[in-house]
Amino acid sequence: DAKTTQPNSMESNEEEPVHLPCNHSTISGTDYIHWYRQLPSQGPEYVIHGLTSNVNNRMASLAIAEDRKSSTLILHRATLRDAAVYYCILKETSGSRLTFGEGTQLTVNP
Amino acid sequence: EAEVAQSPRYKITEKSQAVAFWCDPISGHATLYWYRQILGQGPELLVQFQDESVVDDSQLPKDRFSAERLKGVDSTLKIQPAELGDSAMYLCASSLVAGTYGETQYFGPGTRLLVL
Repeated sequence: DAKTTQPNSMESNEEEPVHLPCNHSTISGTDYIHWYRQLPSQGPEYVIHGLTSNVNNRMASLAIAEDRKSSTLILHRATLRDAAVYYCILKETSGSRLTFGEGTQLTVNP
Repeated sequence: EAEVAQSPRYKITEKSQAVAFWCDPISGHATLYWYRQILGQGPELLVQFQDESVVDDSQLPKDRFSAERLKGVDSTLKIQPAELGDSAMYLCASSLVAGTYGETQYFGPGTRLLVL
């Protein structure tokens, strides 16, 4: 499985935007970029995914570099409820396996 | 909103005892996953079912772990005998269609196991 690299931790203030980076320099042409997050004492939850183009949904936006070697998850207005571990995962088109790294622990300050 | 159910939420057992975890996926989801999450790490896939068949159990320690999904709906993960190193969160997830680029896995709340 192709590997991703994320910062161990990041901090943000409430109601400010948050940009969570992910490097995936060995990404293959058929890998999709998925983001999940895990709130304290809960199972992971899906956030967003994309291939080449930037993506938006009600939770977040995903900005993908033109060479696809990196991506950024954008939370437009962080809330206290967004404090979680965020995982960037490369998923093969034809496979089901999600290979989680250690993720980024996001702290949101009031 | 439909959710993945797991029980028990917490389990304390002694070394060498048997433990079992139960998972009920979202109705209609053919694919079911069991993950193990050690504190401070991301989840690791143990086994994947497609209906009642095992698709991937390459990371399952088969000498002590077993998993079944007899009728292709709910599933049980068993550890016998439990070891101290098995202390972890055991997560169940399900998805509607496996192997597609947009496949979303829905996770349950997990069972936290402590082996003494």
